[in-house]
Amino acid sequence: EAGVTQSPTHLIKTRGQQATLRCSPISGHTSVYWYQQALGLGLQFLLWYDEGEERNRGNFPPRFSGRQFPNYSSELNVNALELEDSALYLCASSFGTGGSAFFGQGTRLTVV
Amino acid sequence: AQKITQTQPGMFVQEKEAVTLDCTYDTSDQSYGLFWYKQPSSGEMIFLIYQGSYDEQNATEGRYSLNFQKARKSANLVISASQLGDSAMYFCAMRERHNTNAGKSTFGDGTTLTVKP
Repeated sequence: EAGVTQSPTHLIKTRGQQATLRCSPISGHTSVYWYQQALGLGLQFLLWYDEGEERNRGNFPPRFSGRQFPNYSSELNVNALELEDSALYLCASSFGTGGSAFFGQGTRLTVV
Repeated sequence: AQKITQTQPGMFVQEKEAVTLDCTYDTSDQSYGLFWYKQPSSGEMIFLIYQGSYDEQNATEGRYSLNFQKARKSANLVISASQLGDSAMYFCAMRERHNTNAGKSTFGDGTTLTVKP
């Protein structure tokens, strides 16, 4: 069974550009979570999608947004990139909000 | 507000010995899940173990067990028979189910475990 897959693995953008990160959950999982992990720091919750709807978001500005598609895959968009957006972005999926969440390998975004 | 505290920034353990990584949490929700993850230097987050707030038995998964003390809001991870490959960062996390923080997982700052040969 395939795990959570994220693409791309690495992404380099310049300040002010937009970045799009993608996540495919484990088959059967309906919830997708996005996290930001800045270098050497813990994980900060970004967004939670379930059944195609945004259910909750963390303390991030509106330029961090996303969506979940009918097949439960998800996309994270970061607009107007800033240098401090450079981080590892992790996606996780679970079967509903009560299940164990499994992570993808992450997308390392570098803003120059 | 939900909060996870891991008080041990770094821990050392001798190979084949057991080690306990501490985690305390704070929440006003009665229904929540507690998780432990391992993050090697490669960056991937590996799920280790889960404990539900209504589970009466402590969770176990192979060499990992979770010492859940609900009244003390403590969820310590015990790794038995440490192996060199256990050297990594370990994160404790909590996800609430019902209040306005539903689905919003909170992670601790992590504990770096080093297993010595």
